[in-house]
Amino acid sequence: DTAVSQTPKYLVTQMGNDKSIKCEQNLGHDTMYWYKQDSKKFLKIMFSYNNKELIINETVPNRFSPKSPDKAHLNLHINSLELGDSAVYFCASSQSNTEAFFGQGTRLTVV
Amino acid sequence: GQQVMQIPQYQHVQEGEDFTTYCNSSTTLSNIQWYKQRPGGHPVFLIQLVKSGEVKKQKRLTFQFGEAKKNSSLHITATQTTDVGTYFCASVNFGNEKLTFGTGTRLTIIP
Repeated sequence: DTAVSQTPKYLVTQMGNDKSIKCEQNLGHDTMYWYKQDSKKFLKIMFSYNNKELIINETVPNRFSPKSPDKAHLNLHINSLELGDSAVYFCASSQSNTEAFFGQGTRLTVV
Repeated sequence: GQQVMQIPQYQHVQEGEDFTTYCNSSTTLSNIQWYKQRPGGHPVFLIQLVKSGEVKKQKRLTFQFGEAKKNSSLHITATQTTDVGTYFCASVNFGNEKLTFGTGTRLTIIP
């Protein structure tokens, strides 16, 4: 069983479109994250939720809107996609400041 | 905000040689975690250090947490081709569970 699963794995879309990435964890963790990894491999935190509540919102454009319907899911919706949004997006979860488990990543390409 | 720098950014070593990556913070860290990301893969947790001066070993890998809790290192003895990947340090802010990653060190092995 996959602990943290995100879909889709690949996403190619045109500028200006709206897209969503879904994430689910079956570990019973309270905290979930979204990270963006650029071409230089830097892992930048975007959002963090704890028990469905937003606790961290880094300086991310408001075109990005996370939604957590329950503590096992954290989805990411992106409006009006731009070329600079191309990256790999990782979902992760953790519990009580221990190790984080990552999803397989979603490679987003905006053309 | 908390910044965690890693050096070197890239390291190429001959198979069998040793490898070390260093993690430095501008502020005192409550803990340090290390992750490995294989090419095309996702970050995978290796270890967590919490105590000042702590040293832990996993087979050929040795992890250290500095006395002042502002730096850490990962040392690999006698590298193998399976060690290829990007190594990240990370730290959790216990107050808000924000998991911040270092800039990463990309290791390549020359067979």
